[in-house]
Amino acid sequence: DGGITQSPKYLFRKEGQNVTLSCEQNLNHDAMYWYRQDPGQGLRLIYYSQIVNDFQKGDIAEGYSVSREKKESFPLTVTSAQKNPTAFYLCASSIGHEGMNTEAFFGQGTRLTVV
Amino acid sequence: GENVEQHPSTLSVQEGDSAVIKCTYSDSASNYFPWYKQELGKGPQLIIDIRSNVGEKKDQRIAVTLNKTAKHFSLHITETQPEDSAVYFCAASIGGKLIFGQGTELSVKP
Repeated sequence: DGGITQSPKYLFRKEGQNVTLSCEQNLNHDAMYWYRQDPGQGLRLIYYSQIVNDFQKGDIAEGYSVSREKKESFPLTVTSAQKNPTAFYLCASSIGHEGMNTEAFFGQGTRLTVV
Repeated sequence: GENVEQHPSTLSVQEGDSAVIKCTYSDSASNYFPWYKQELGKGPQLIIDIRSNVGEKKDQRIAVTLNKTAKHFSLHITETQPEDSAVYFCAASIGGKLIFGQGTELSVKP
């Protein structure tokens, strides 16, 4: 089945530790995105990538880092510099050609809790 | 940058009634406007979308309207059912990025 897979579903982290969230897609999409969702708020863009080996900061990139070494994978690292990391993280992908705006497919999310 | 405002934040209707959710966007260059439905603990799923060269689009009980001049677009759900209860997000696309509204929690009471 084609789709976008996030793992793990739940993640607990101690303060001061970095943690990496996985996102894999087999839809052959060029563009991939990471969003953060807090209770009662919309989705806020952290980072996005429109092509392998290239990515751009979104609206709330501070304290996060990403890599895009393969088309299928776009892992997100939440660093210790992120002051309030507890949130629901969503990864998405789309065809993503410049100027061609199409449906974004979302993963099921990772709920990160700092303990 | 692009900003998307969504109203209301919560909406409660009786089964069978209609529900309307409204969004405004700030960047006139936006050209793609999707609506997503998110059920508890899951990722959002696209329910309908509209492009800037179209004024209205329907899919069974769901319709979306777009007013480019006023820079607003709306989601209309008719004959609501309890399974329509969820959080709905509007979004506007520019330069390949999707900017989302704050979400509307829709509750359909049987």
